[in-house]
Amino acid sequence: AQSVTQLGSHVSVSEGALVLLRCNYSSSVPPYLFWYVQYPNQGLQLLLKYTSAATLVKGINGFEAEFKKSETSFHLTKPSAHMSDAAEYFCAVSYTGANSKLTFGKGITLSVRP
Amino acid sequence: GAGVSQSPSNKVTEKGKDVELRCDPISGHTALYWYRQSLGQGLEFLIYFQGNSAPDKSGLPSDRFSAERTGGSVSTLTIQRTQQEDSAVYLCASSSGGHGYTFGSGTRLTVV
Repeated sequence: AQSVTQLGSHVSVSEGALVLLRCNYSSSVPPYLFWYVQYPNQGLQLLLKYTSAATLVKGINGFEAEFKKSETSFHLTKPSAHMSDAAEYFCAVSYTGANSKLTFGKGITLSVRP
Repeated sequence: GAGVSQSPSNKVTEKGKDVELRCDPISGHTALYWYRQSLGQGLEFLIYFQGNSAPDKSGLPSDRFSAERTGGSVSTLTIQRTQQEDSAVYLCASSSGGHGYTFGSGTRLTVV
């Protein structure tokens, strides 16, 4: 069965600092991997997705993630945090493409200190 | 429409009452999903529609939960005899067959 692990529930960084949110997956077949962001009282917004093309994926708002098969990881990074990045971030995996259910991690809350 | 629309945005109901939650997907999206988001449980898959049929309803937590989709468009999630543990945000998403979904803003259900 597929699963996603997001270690920790909360990350706090200073404005301008590097953002690193970790995601590890478990899948017996090549996965599709996603990062979603959720702002307070809103739905989930797709940040970026890996679908077996380039292993370094660039998304919106300056975020990117690198698929590392050997480490079964898909960590999310942003070189310089902005106050507006404060939100909850979810990593998700699916097997067979779009019309397959997503399995989500527990989510990580990102706080940005001024 | 331009996005996935869910209604109502908030619903407070008394324990034991039935509720209906509505989802209007993006026009032309053939796949529709319902998820539940609650504290301590994260995001749980409930049901998936392809057109009007539901090939995967494995996430429905009990027979009090049902969903239907008509005309390949609007979907309704019904919870009968609501319980306090049903309190959560119910999220709907749709997809056209590309990778990744578009989510609605959700319905916050509170059972008192």
